[in-house]
Amino acid sequence: DAKTTQPPSMDCAEGRAANLPCNHSTISGNEYVYWYRQIHSQGPQYIIHGLKNNETNEMASLIITEDRKSSTLILPHATLRDTAVYYCIVRVYSGAGSYQLTFGKGTKLSVIP
Amino acid sequence: DAGITQSPRYKITETGRQVTLMCHQTWSHSYMFWYRQDLGHGLRLIYYSAAADITDKGEVPDGYVVSRSKTENFPLTLESATRSQTSVYFCASSTVTGELFFGEGSRLTVL
Repeated sequence: DAKTTQPPSMDCAEGRAANLPCNHSTISGNEYVYWYRQIHSQGPQYIIHGLKNNETNEMASLIITEDRKSSTLILPHATLRDTAVYYCIVRVYSGAGSYQLTFGKGTKLSVIP
Repeated sequence: DAGITQSPRYKITETGRQVTLMCHQTWSHSYMFWYRQDLGHGLRLIYYSAAADITDKGEVPDGYVVSRSKTENFPLTLESATRSQTSVYFCASSTVTGELFFGEGSRLTVL
């Protein structure tokens, strides 16, 4: 199973870009990278996902290296509301059309005024 | 309203009792998941289901039972609750593209 490694915590100044790294060196060719975040004790919230190409949506950008062994989630203009735990996950197929999303401990992002 | 709902939101029970946590989604998503989250830890997968009548074990299935007779419901049962099962339980559903939508969580305390 592909596993991910993230720094336990990061700080970012309000209004600046937050760049959250993730290593997934054992990822397989057909496995997607997903990012979620969890604000306080709420249920996690989907942010973005990708396979090979860089992706952008209204929340964030996802940059995946050419060898796919790492990725970076970019929040272009961090606000205090972006303070949360961010999870980088690799979707692993379990066979017969089924798959798992296994969460690690994530990165605690603190946006500082 | 469309969405995913969990019940009860809060539950206190005693060791040895059976407890069932309910999960209901209105999107007709094929996939559903149960996770538990303990203080200071990330989410750990208990069970998941790719469709009605198809369930599989996740990382930490021991002590739990699931069923999925209907697409929209995915109950999680603790057959004989233990203190180590005190946790916050999250249910989620997703489409085949893998975007999970989580419920608000069920906070279970086992005394």
